[in-house]
Amino acid sequence: SYVLTQPPSVSVAPGKTARITCGGNNIGSKSVHWYQQKPGQAPVLVIYYDSDRPSGIPERFSGSNSGNTATLTISRVEAGDEADYYCQVWDSSSDHRGVFGTGTKVTVL
Amino acid sequence: EVQLVESGGGLVKPGGSLRLSCAASGFTFSSYSMNWVRQAPGKGLEWVSSISSSSSYIYYADSVKGRFTISRDNAKNSLYLQMNSLRAEDTAVYYCARDSSNYDPYFDYWGQGTLVTVSS
Repeated sequence: SYVLTQPPSVSVAPGKTARITCGGNNIGSKSVHWYQQKPGQAPVLVIYYDSDRPSGIPERFSGSNSGNTATLTISRVEAGDEADYYCQVWDSSSDHRGVFGTGTKVTVL
Repeated sequence: EVQLVESGGGLVKPGGSLRLSCAASGFTFSSYSMNWVRQAPGKGLEWVSSISSSSSYIYYADSVKGRFTISRDNAKNSLYLQMNSLRAEDTAVYYCARDSSNYDPYFDYWGQGTLVTVSS
């Protein structure tokens, strides 16, 4: 089955840039989506199809995807960005299934 | 406004059964695929199951295949998850999530979740 690997944690100072990676075999050939989840809340979609932003998501959130790594970038980090972030793909290679990354806790220092 | 409201969670003994429901509103339910995603306490997200808009295509995670059944009633704007032979490792918050229903789908709206606890 397809596996997505994320770093467990990323720490960043306010105003700086946070980069969260999502590693998978030839992930560049798939569409990657990203979710933000704050404690006690449901996940919220922040990036879809590698780099598109849903309405209401700040331009500070951006995404890229190439080779074996997809990246979510949060520019000018704010305290309110502190949350868990998950990447996700749909794996149609052998059977159809959703796959989530292991998740990354972003801490704003 | 899109709303998804889960219900039916609770405490159940190992080997028991539970049926979750998700009431949808604010969009044309019959036009979208729907999913169940779960999150064990303190753990990450795990996709559980997907059902297409007309129930023609149904998929399950290996961890629940043969024990869980997803279904929907488009007339009632409702999604269901029948969970049988429950195990301790099924303990989680269960979210219903709307599917973008495109290629390589994403989940654009989520409910607030319902907690299922499997314990003796």
